Order: sequence, then structure tokens, then C-alpha cells
Amino acid sequence: GQQLNQSPQSMFIQEGEDVSMNCTSSSIFNTWLWYKQDPGEGPVLLIALYKAGELTSNGRLTAQFGITRKDSFLNISASIPSDVGIYFCAGQANTGNQFYFGTGTSLTVIP
Amino acid sequence: ETGVTQTPRHLVMGMTNKKSLKCEQHLGHNAMYWYKQSAKKPLELMFVYNFKEQTENNSVPSRFSPECPNSSHLFLHLHTLQPEDSALYLCASSLTSQETQYFGPGTRLLVL
Repeated sequence: GQQLNQSPQSMFIQEGEDVSMNCTSSSIFNTWLWYKQDPGEGPVLLIALYKAGELTSNGRLTAQFGITRKDSFLNISASIPSDVGIYFCAGQANTGNQFYFGTGTSLTVIP
Repeated sequence: ETGVTQTPRHLVMGMTNKKSLKCEQHLGHNAMYWYKQSAKKPLELMFVYNFKEQTENNSVPSRFSPECPNSSHLFLHLHTLQPEDSALYLCASSLTSQETQYFGPGTRLLVL
């Protein structure tokens, strides 16, 4: 199946720092989603992107749909301890097709 | 957020046991999914149901048996599992098949 590569695999940052992570695929996607998973919980949808070049914010989170349609980026500004968790990207090639998930970026915020 | 609920949250079972996982969604969605999440691996799609009909079985062993009695409920029946089946089992739902999915909290399964 389609594989999505997320980087970095893990991050350790100081509280207050900004965070950047990305997700790349070998094929074109028409939808990108970003989820966050807290320990012991299921993934929660953060941001959905539907158009190449789209930039969407949700509070301190900003995600971008890459113009090549083969990548997406998630930025978190001024990180806080509750940002800790695993961030997953998911991509869909066409409406009605399966979503594929990345392996996740584990974020640790040091107070 | 109680849109998608799963029970039990934790389950320990022996290899000869039979158990069932339950998922319920209160979002008015028509599609439901089972995923397996193992450490350091991407989410693995197991089954998809759309309007109560199974539309995808991702080569899942027969020791996992899904059941979808209506659009709001989804079960995963477990029988003679193996230790490598230990994982977090996530249920998700979406308005229709392959639209944005909303996940439950998962059932952490340990097979001894």
C-alpha cells in the first residue's frame, strides 16, 4: 500500500519553542489530514486540507498542503506541555479512496 | 468528546479465549472502520463498513471477525488470538466511506 513518510520521527523541545514537521508521499494526494494522539487515546483530527497550497490554522497550529501535492507540513508555535503526543498525517489520493497514515512524529515538550 | 466510544478500554485475554470489542458512534455517520495500531507502525486498516455492508477486508486473519448490526454500532469478535495480535484497536467513523474519519479512544489489547 501507499506509504507516507513523516519526519522527524521524534522531537524533544523546550516549552515556548516552535515546532515543524512534515509528511511526504510518493504519489499525489488531494486531501491531507493532521491528527494528534495523546497517550492511551485515539487520534483527534486537528486540521484538514483540500487544496494544493492551502494554508490553514487552528489556534497555534498551522498546516500547509504542499504545492506539489506530495507533501504537507504542520507547524506549532510557542509549544506548551499539553502539545505532547504523537502527530499523524493522513492522505487520500481521490475522493472515495482509502486514507493512508504516516508513522507519526512523537513530540516531547520539556517545561 | 463522546462522538465515538469504545469498550472495553483495556482487555487481557488468553490465546484460547473469545472476546468482543464494541464501538458506538453518535455522529450520524454511515461508515465505520477498524484499525490496528502497533508500536512504531502506521495505522493498519482492517475492515470498512459502509451503510452496514462490509466494503473492505484488508487481508485480516479469520480469527478477527467484524459485525455491523447497524450504522451506529460495530463489533470485532476475537477468537484464538496470538501474542502478536496485542495492539491498540481503534474504531473510526465517517459520514460516508473514505471521508474524514473520527476516531474512538481505542481498546488496548494484550494477548497472553
